[in-house]
Amino acid sequence: QKEVEQNSGPLSVPEGAIASLNCTYSDRVSQSFFWYRQYSGKSPELIMSIYSNGDKEDGRFTAQLNKASQYVSLLIRDSQPSDSATYLCAVAGGTSYGKLTFGQGTILTVHP
Amino acid sequence: ETGVTQTPRHLVMGMTNKKSLKCEQHLGHNAMYWYKQSAKKPLELMFVYNFKEQTENNSVPSRFSPECPNSSHLFLHLHTLQPEDSALYLCASSQAGDGYEQYFGPGTRLTVT
Repeated sequence: QKEVEQNSGPLSVPEGAIASLNCTYSDRVSQSFFWYRQYSGKSPELIMSIYSNGDKEDGRFTAQLNKASQYVSLLIRDSQPSDSATYLCAVAGGTSYGKLTFGQGTILTVHP
Repeated sequence: ETGVTQTPRHLVMGMTNKKSLKCEQHLGHNAMYWYKQSAKKPLELMFVYNFKEQTENNSVPSRFSPECPNSSHLFLHLHTLQPEDSALYLCASSQAGDGYEQYFGPGTRLTVT
């Protein structure tokens, strides 16, 4: 079983729609959760971090965490073509102290 | 200069060459990381340094040799690489400890011929 699992996609949404990206993790005692955006040929860029159950909003981005279900998601409202990228979920804590474990990423395409 | 920088950005080397990748962070962090990113595979953690001390070697072959002279600089020395080592090599930094945000450099695209 993969430690951090994401739907590889591609996920295709029209411009202006809400894009929903999902991630599940296997280590129940994980404490910290991150979303990175990676454009083709570029390095990962941190866009959201979340540590407590519930929602965290930053501009058009909302991260949602449910530790009981071992599930974290990223919602992108009013999606723009510039949001087209690979989104990486990363998990820290628990048995992987001091390290991030990454999912394989979800490719998002926002079409005009 | 701000953030995390890496040089060179692109590197082509033969299997018998020796080369080094350099990373520098300007964020005041005290943990630094090397990752490998190959096509269609998740990011793979290679090495972790906390306060200049190596705290993680994720079963990396000895042809990759890291060096961390201080908390701001990290090197990856390469020798007798294989074509399958061709990948994007990423450096990251964070505060030392668990659960801190990691910030990545732009990466070095390595091609082994």
